[in-house]
Amino acid sequence: DARVTQTPRHKVTEMGQEVTMRCQPILGHNTVFWYRQTMMQGLELLAYFRNRAPLDDSGMPKDRFSAEMPDATLATLKIQPSEPRDSAVYFCASGLGQDSYEQYFGPGTRLTVT
Amino acid sequence: AQSVAQPEDQVNVAEGNPLTVKCTYSVSGNPYLFWYVQYPNRGLQFLLKYITGDNLVKGSYGFEAEFNKSQTSFHLKKPSALVSDSALYFCAVRDRSSASKIIFGSGTRLSIRP
Repeated sequence: DARVTQTPRHKVTEMGQEVTMRCQPILGHNTVFWYRQTMMQGLELLAYFRNRAPLDDSGMPKDRFSAEMPDATLATLKIQPSEPRDSAVYFCASGLGQDSYEQYFGPGTRLTVT
Repeated sequence: AQSVAQPEDQVNVAEGNPLTVKCTYSVSGNPYLFWYVQYPNRGLQFLLKYITGDNLVKGSYGFEAEFNKSQTSFHLKKPSALVSDSALYFCAVRDRSSASKIIFGSGTRLSIRP
């Protein structure tokens, strides 16, 4: 049963520290999305990639967030330095094809910044 | 710009009764429309999609949705609710340009009482 995996599942860190979240998309999927979910803002698209190239990262705070795909099996989202307002659940999702009608979500990384 | 609205934060239904979760959208041209469900501490799961063709779309777990172009709506329905249907439901839309991204609604919490 193919699924998206994310590590770590939970992360507690202090303000100012670097945070790295990892995602392994479903094998063969060529589109990867990063979302952030909070009670106040709901589900926000941060960035997405197709064939490892960034297509849109307009939802991401540029000064502290960065997203990369070092290879087809790994996507990373980094926050440096982290702030308490970054506390949220971060989801990775993957899809297949140009249209990626269906997105398959990972279980999320719950980040708490104190 | 595309947008999607879910006018109800919460919907309460008795088990065995029909349920409807409302969604309206705004997009230039013909839309792609989706419903996703999120169970506690999980990522979103794809339920169904409308791409083209029959306005009534059938999806997972007995859910269906009706595309109404004149009312720009895509309401989610089920003839007989189960307690296990209790979850957070997201409507999503995108336009048909190749670089378009999916926009998610704010979510509706569905609560089915025994």
